Amino acid sequence: QVQLQESGPGLVKPSETLSLTCTVSGGSISGYYWSWIRQPPGKALEWIGCIYHSGSTIYNPSLKSRVTTSVDTSKNQFSLKLTSVTAADTAMYFCARGIRRSTYYYYFDYWGQGTLVTVSS
Amino acid sequence: QSVLTQPPSVSGAPGQRVTISCTGSSFNIGATYDVHWYQQLPGTAPKLLIYGNSNRPSGVPDRFSGSKSGTSASLAITGLQAEDEADYYCQSYDSSLSGWVFGGGTKLTVL
Repeated sequence: QVQLQESGPGLVKPSETLSLTCTVSGGSISGYYWSWIRQPPGKALEWIGCIYHSGSTIYNPSLKSRVTTSVDTSKNQFSLKLTSVTAADTAMYFCARGIRRSTYYYYFDYWGQGTLVTVSS
Repeated sequence: QSVLTQPPSVSGAPGQRVTISCTGSSFNIGATYDVHWYQQLPGTAPKLLIYGNSNRPSGVPDRFSGSKSGTSASLAITGLQAEDEADYYCQSYDSSLSGWVFGGGTKLTVL
C-alpha cells in the first residue's frame, strides 16, 4: 500500500519561503507524476504543481512564478518550495500521487494526510 | 470562484439517491477533458472516488457512479448511508487556465 507523508514547518513568516517534503513509502517514486495540492481553511482544493520522477515539472500558472518542486529518487521523496508567502498561502498542503494517462488526463490516487502551514509573523 | 461549479450543499435521507453536479464550459468538461471525483471525509485527506468520468477504483462501492454529458458531469450516490456524509469535489483540466482544476466542492448531509 502506497503511503505519503508530508513534513515541514507549520509556521512561516510573511515574505519568507515555505518548504515541504513528501516521503513516499510502499512503492517507487519512479513512473509517476507527484503533485502538491492545497486547501485553505474551509475552502476548496487548489492544484499547485507536479513533478515527474525524471524531474520534469508542470505548475499552476497562477503560482508558477513562486513555485519550485524537486525530486530525490534515492530517498523516495519530492519537495515543494513556495516563495514570498503571504497570509493567503495559509492552507493545508497535501502531496499526492498522480496517474497521467495522456496530456490532460490526470488524477490523484494516493494522498498524504496533509500538513497545515500558517503564514504569520 | 472555480471554473467548475458545484452546488454548495445537497442532502438526502438514508437509503435515498442523490446527485452532485459539476458544471463547466468549453474550456474544460465541454472540451472532452475527463472528470474525476473525490470524497473528503471531515478532517481527512481527499480520496479518489471516480476516475475517467465513470470508473471506480478498487474498493469503492458500486453505490457511487459518475457520468458526463456536454459541459457537465454528475456523481450519483444510491442507497445513501450516514458514512457518506462528506465533501465531494470534481476535477478536470482547463485549457484557459492551462492546468488541472477542482470544483468548489459540495457538502453532502445525510438527514
